[in-house]
Amino acid sequence: AQTVTQSQPEMSVQEAETVTLSCTYDTSESDYYLFWYKQPPSRQMILVIRQEAYKQQNATENRFSVNFQKAAKSFSLKISDSQLGDAAMYFCAFLPYGEKLTFGTGTRLTIIP
Amino acid sequence: DAGVIQSPRHEVTEMGQEVTLRCKPISGHNSLFWYRQTMMRGLELLIYFNNNVPIDDSGMPEDRFSAKMPNASFSTLKIQPSEPRDSAVYFCASSRGRQHYEQYFGPGTRLTVT
Repeated sequence: AQTVTQSQPEMSVQEAETVTLSCTYDTSESDYYLFWYKQPPSRQMILVIRQEAYKQQNATENRFSVNFQKAAKSFSLKISDSQLGDAAMYFCAFLPYGEKLTFGTGTRLTIIP
Repeated sequence: DAGVIQSPRHEVTEMGQEVTLRCKPISGHNSLFWYRQTMMRGLELLIYFNNNVPIDDSGMPEDRFSAKMPNASFSTLKIQPSEPRDSAVYFCASSRGRQHYEQYFGPGTRLTVT
């Protein structure tokens, strides 16, 4: 079974600073996708960023970037220039080809003004 | 384009009553997923459809739960009879492909069974 581990239940960061959320996963698959989803207090699940395992280049979306280490099975999310609107639960998710999307337990991010 | 639409946003019902949750996926998406989110169990996949056909319902808790997708633009998740332990947020999500693409989530339905 695939597992996704987010070892940081809570994180906080000063506004305008940079924060990194960690995620590790366990799989024997070689082809898969990885995602970060954001869930603000409105509870809407919002896709933040996506990474294909076959791509060596780390994905970037504006202030959000990932550090994908396939051999280490690590997929961390870096948020630069943190803003108040970034406060939310962040879920790492793993999707092997043809299988189910598996979510981690989430990291609650607080932005300190 | 409109995102995934779910209704109702909130539902409060008494134990034993039937509950029906509704979902309209993003136009052009051919895969639809139903998830349940609770504090204890996190996000769980209940069932998913591809081209209106149920592909995997192994996550459906028990026979009290049923899901249908009569056409490409509509799906329902029904609980009959409802129990307090069914209280959760239920999400519908859709994607372009058969799980090979990112899933886009609706706003969720918060169900409370008293």
